[in-house]
Amino acid sequence: GESVGLHLPTLSVQEGDNSIINCAYSNSASDYFIWYKQESGKGPQFIIDIRSNMDKRQGQRVTVLLNKTVKHLSLQIAATQPGDSAVYFCAETPNDYKLSFGAGTTVTVRA
Amino acid sequence: KAGVTQTPRYLIKTRGQQVTLSCSPISGHRSVSWYQQTPGQGLQFLFEYFSETQRNKGNFPGRFSGRQFSNSRSEMNVSTLELGDSALYLCASTAQGAGDNEQFFGPGTRLTVL
Repeated sequence: GESVGLHLPTLSVQEGDNSIINCAYSNSASDYFIWYKQESGKGPQFIIDIRSNMDKRQGQRVTVLLNKTVKHLSLQIAATQPGDSAVYFCAETPNDYKLSFGAGTTVTVRA
Repeated sequence: KAGVTQTPRYLIKTRGQQVTLSCSPISGHRSVSWYQQTPGQGLQFLFEYFSETQRNKGNFPGRFSGRQFSNSRSEMNVSTLELGDSALYLCASTAQGAGDNEQFFGPGTRLTVL
């Protein structure tokens, strides 16, 4: 079946640097994409979302980029902080309800 | 507003038993979705309920079932447990208003099948 996947399982970043987490999706019918952050022992936490009629959306210290031509999604975190250490998942859905998640990228922030 | 709550947080069962997990959505949220999270398969969609009706279903066997009550609280049941059912079961609720489809996740129930 179709699925969403992340390019790298782990990412190590220096505190204060910018982080970029990538995700490829294959369901061309998907029109809603979300990034989640999951810390140990907790459920996924919404970070930012984007609809397919947009190619960029900014939040607080985070930016999501969507390239529908190559079915690629990325999450940029500015000035990465120790509290950003977590597993990051991209998710996509064609109907707002049934989310398909990628495998996740574990981000470790070095002090 | 209180977040999504799930009970119990941890559960240990043996093969062949059945289990019922409970989820209370955020007040006012009418949609509840269930996901299974394992190291090998990641997060996988189980089913989604809205107004007491199952609206979407994932690719899980019939041993996995759920229901939703009139107050939007939801339960999922797994019968004839197998070792592979050991996982973190996550519940998420959504307001389902116009443009308001963000899913809020609970902390999960950690099920261990021995």
